[in-house]
Amino acid sequence: DAGVTQSPTHLIKTRGQQVTLRCSPKSGHDTVSWYQQALGQGPQFIFQYYEEEERQRGNFPDRFSGHQFPNYSSELNVNALLLGDSALYLCASSPDMGGAEAFFGQGTRLTVV
Amino acid sequence: AQSVTQPDIHITVSEGASLELRCNYSYGATPYLFWYVQSPGQGLQLLLKYFSGDTLVQGIKGFEAEFKRSQSSFNLRKPSVHWSDAAEYFCAVGANTNAGKSTFGDGTTLTVKP
Repeated sequence: DAGVTQSPTHLIKTRGQQVTLRCSPKSGHDTVSWYQQALGQGPQFIFQYYEEEERQRGNFPDRFSGHQFPNYSSELNVNALLLGDSALYLCASSPDMGGAEAFFGQGTRLTVV
Repeated sequence: AQSVTQPDIHITVSEGASLELRCNYSYGATPYLFWYVQSPGQGLQLLLKYFSGDTLVQGIKGFEAEFKRSQSSFNLRKPSVHWSDAAEYFCAVGANTNAGKSTFGDGTTLTVKP
């Protein structure tokens, strides 16, 4: 079992650009959650996808959007990048939306210059 | 709103010494509580979790945590620390209906002295 995989591992973008991050959930998991972890802070919940729909959303602007595909993989898109968007973006998958633990990927390190 | 406070930003212990990392939470209902460990540049690995039942829970790598409802605490302990335990530790609280959406503390960095 490959676990949760994220790509790319590192990314450098220029302010104002757009970026897409990808996540493949652990086998058997259908729920994907995205987190932003700024340097020196804990992860902050961005949103969660289940059955190809956004089900929960944290306190992030509309510049952050996502998608879930029929195979349960997911993308996180960020438009009009700001320097403050520089962070480690973590994807977590869980077998359902109820009560089970979530498994995290290694993350994508995004640097905005 | 739910929140998690980890009062200690940085803790240093000697190898072989005992360890306790503090976690206080605020949550309106019965919480799901988690401790995760993160090595530099890595994702999060679950150490242990509390959903219900016995308030002392055992996890991987010799860690344990005790849930104290009266103190809103979920402190992580290890009787004898190894050099490989040096990492950042995060406490998190989640809804009992959605483990994927959790609120994390800002973490405690553990340094282990030889």
